[in-house]
Amino acid sequence: GAGVSQSPSNKVTEKGKDVELRCDPISGHTALYWYRQSLGQGLEFLIYFQGNSAPDKSGLPSDRFSAERTGGSVSTLTIQRTQQEDSAVYLCASSLASGDTDTQYFGPGTRLTVL
Amino acid sequence: GNSVTQMEGPVTLSEEAFLTINCTYTATGYPSLFWYVQYPGEGLQLLLKATKADDKGSNKGFEATYRKETTSFHLEKGSVQVSDSAVYFCALSPGGGNKLTFGTGTQLKVEL
Repeated sequence: GAGVSQSPSNKVTEKGKDVELRCDPISGHTALYWYRQSLGQGLEFLIYFQGNSAPDKSGLPSDRFSAERTGGSVSTLTIQRTQQEDSAVYLCASSLASGDTDTQYFGPGTRLTVL
Repeated sequence: GNSVTQMEGPVTLSEEAFLTINCTYTATGYPSLFWYVQYPGEGLQLLLKATKADDKGSNKGFEATYRKETTSFHLEKGSVQVSDSAVYFCALSPGGGNKLTFGTGTQLKVEL
């Protein structure tokens, strides 16, 4: 079946602009995660959605970052007033259910470059 | 807090050589441990996992054993191939939690 898909694959933006990154999880997966992969910080957790529960936003680096998940499926990560330090690959993952033994399946990522 | 430490790369080996990539962790409770692999131009894929002490995860000839006494989860393969060239990430998920904490990644290059 189809894996996790993300769009766009690449995004170049100017400092100060807002960007939206999209994630389509695997059908039927109730848990969705966003991570960020950057040269200086490695792979970092950003936010986690599980069903209709309130999301775990503990990894969001600032209030310029927000995410939503509509209808328990597609998720959008929004970065407002982008800064150069936001340049990174943003990865989305989904899993069948919550629990640390459930395998997270990753999408190919969106490479964000802030000029 | 939780953390994962991996050996720095790149690691360069000849085909059929033995591979070890070291990984140690710091966590409260009883985390689950994972190795993920990222092949060139591809997304992260789960390679293997172990959910409790002394468990051995294995896949594609790779193995790692969950050692609670040494807080380690070293990745090994007896005979590497060129196709194993990739970046390998060690990760943990805390007991009862879902977020993955990753190590910095180790790049492996296998040459003929």
